[in-house]
Amino acid sequence: DAGVIQSPRHEVTEMGQEVTLRCKPISGHNSLFWYRQTMMRGLELLIYFNNNVPIDDSGMPEDRFSAKMPNASFSTLKIQPSEPRDSAVYFCAAQMGNQPQHFGDGTRLSIL
Amino acid sequence: GEDVEQSLFLSVREGDSSVINCTYTDSSSTYLYWYKQEPGAGLQLLTYIFSNMDMKQDQRLTVLLNKKDKHLSLRIADTQTGDSAIYFCAATDSWGKLQFGAGTQVVVTP
Repeated sequence: DAGVIQSPRHEVTEMGQEVTLRCKPISGHNSLFWYRQTMMRGLELLIYFNNNVPIDDSGMPEDRFSAKMPNASFSTLKIQPSEPRDSAVYFCAAQMGNQPQHFGDGTRLSIL
Repeated sequence: GEDVEQSLFLSVREGDSSVINCTYTDSSSTYLYWYKQEPGAGLQLLTYIFSNMDMKQDQRLTVLLNKKDKHLSLRIADTQTGDSAIYFCAATDSWGKLQFGAGTQVVVTP
C-alpha cells in the first residue's frame, strides 16, 4: 500500500492567497485527520472525518480554514485568505477502526 | 482533557540504551503510542500498547506502562545513529482522539 499521500510537499505563497492542501488516505481507512505542527504549539488536531463526515472541527483556528472530504479517497484543507501565522507543516493521517493512525509526509507551508 | 508530557531532549552514545519517558493525565486512555519523526518527514508509528498491558517488546524496542502512575516509557536497546529523531508519545483521550506530547529530541553520538 502506498500509505497516506499528501500534496504538495512544499508550498510558498504570498499573504492573502488561497492555499489548498490535498490528502489521499489509505484505501479502506475510514477516519481521516488533519493536523498542524509548529515549533510553538507542537501537533494540533484541526479536524477529523469519519466515513467522509466531519465529526469534530473544534481545532480549526478560524473561518479562514475549511476542510472537505467529498469521497473516501480524497480530502482537502483550504486556507483563504492565508496569513503568515498559518506557516506550519500540515499533516494528514488515516485510521482504520481502532487501529493506529498512519501519517503522510506532510505539506510544509510558508506564507510570506 | 488529556495532557501528555515528555522530556524535550536526550543525548545517548551509540550502542547504549535510550529511555524516553512520558506521563499522561487521562486514566481512561485505552491506547498509548510512540511515533518517530525524522527531519522533513511525517510521523512514523513505532509501537503502541493497550492499556491492559504493562509491557510490550518488539525487537530493540521495549514499552513499559505503569497505569497507576500514568507513566509510559520507550527503551531502545543498542541505540544506533539512525535512531536520532524526535520521538512523540501519544495517548487517546476520552473521545478517542490522540493527544501528543511535545516530542523528545534524541541525539545519538558516536
